Amino acid sequence: KNEVEQSPQNLTAQEGEFITINCSYSVGISALHWLQQHPGGGIVSLFMLSSGKKKHGRLIATINIQEKHSSLHITASHPRDSAVYICAVNQGGKLIFGQGTELSVKP
Amino acid sequence: DAGVIQSPRHEVTEMGQEVTLRCKPISGHNSLFWYRQTMMRGLELLIYFNNNVPIDDSGMPEDRFSAKMPNASFSTLKIQPSEPRDSAVYFCASSLVTYEQYFGPGTRLTVT
Repeated sequence: KNEVEQSPQNLTAQEGEFITINCSYSVGISALHWLQQHPGGGIVSLFMLSSGKKKHGRLIATINIQEKHSSLHITASHPRDSAVYICAVNQGGKLIFGQGTELSVKP
Repeated sequence: DAGVIQSPRHEVTEMGQEVTLRCKPISGHNSLFWYRQTMMRGLELLIYFNNNVPIDDSGMPEDRFSAKMPNASFSTLKIQPSEPRDSAVYFCASSLVTYEQYFGPGTRLTVT
């Protein structure tokens, strides 16, 4: 079993829909990261959080340390949100990655 | 700041050749990470440095891989000899003690 599990692996949505991507982990962590990778390949850090909730524009990330679970929400989704979203946990300074969720938002 | 800089962006080489990938971290960052991404295994940490010192190299696949960080502004990842199964995208990332990592654009390596 992977230490970091994401669901779903693939997600297709219509423009405007509310999207949720989930991440569960089984190890002790100091922080959890959400990353975005566009088809061109570049990786961008969206959030780093160790408790509670963070919001940036239409993106919201939450984490429940007791349940070892995090969610990434996208409100009013747009085709430009189409990308792979990767959850990663920070364990002692190094990142352990989930397998990614490929999101496609159709106009 | 220009962000994390990696070179080359693409590398095509023949099996058995030596390959050197280069990374310049963001100025002031004290941690540097090398990752590999493949379709089969996703993103994996190969090695990371703190203050130019290798801290964890448990992800380095075998002795053919080596990494150095001679100073705070430069690191190399070397594969010698290269094999087709080394074909992947190699990312370098840097961070400060706050743990948020900034990724370079990656080097796409193809070994034929």
